[in-house]
Amino acid sequence: GAGVSQSPSNKVTEKGKDVELRCDPISGHTALYWYRQSLGQGLEFLIYFQGNSAPDKSGLPSDRFSAERTGGSVSTLTIQRTQQEDSAVYLCASSLAGDILYEQYFGPGTRLTVT
Amino acid sequence: AQSVAQPEDQVNVAEGNPLTVKCTYSVSGNPYLFWYVQYPNRGLQFLLKYITGDNLVKGSYGFEAEFNKSQTSFHLKKPSALVSDSALYFCAVRDMKGNMLTFGGGTRLMVKP
Repeated sequence: GAGVSQSPSNKVTEKGKDVELRCDPISGHTALYWYRQSLGQGLEFLIYFQGNSAPDKSGLPSDRFSAERTGGSVSTLTIQRTQQEDSAVYLCASSLAGDILYEQYFGPGTRLTVT
Repeated sequence: AQSVAQPEDQVNVAEGNPLTVKCTYSVSGNPYLFWYVQYPNRGLQFLLKYITGDNLVKGSYGFEAEFNKSQTSFHLKKPSALVSDSALYFCAVRDMKGNMLTFGGGTRLMVKP
């Protein structure tokens, strides 16, 4: 079946611009996660959605970052006023539920470059 | 706070030889441990997990990992390496309360013919 998809695959933007990154989770998966992979920081958790519960935003690095998940499916990660340190690969993952028993399936990522 | 350490940035192995990629963890309570692999320009692929039960966990592509509570380790192993195993490997931990995976820094595995 279809895996997690993300778009765009690559995004180059100028410093100060806003960007939106999209994630389509696996159908039927109620849990959705965003991570960031960068050279200096490795893989970092950003935000977690589980069904209709309030998201866990504990990993968002600043208030320039926000995310939403519409209809319990597609998610959008928005970065406002991008900075060069935001350059990274943004990974989305989904799992059948948020329970520890279910592994997370990752998308191919969006490579963001801020110039 | 939970953490994962992968002490080797790179592991070099000859094809056909056994391989080990090391991982140690720190977490309060019971650990839930995972290994993921990342091929170039690809997302992370799940290899195996330890939740409870047997300390030796078998996963995809012939990989296995051994959970050692006393040493707080979860090393990834394979009896006979393939060139196609060359990739970036990540160990991760999750605790019962947390919602996310905490990853190690990754280990690049290079298998030479």
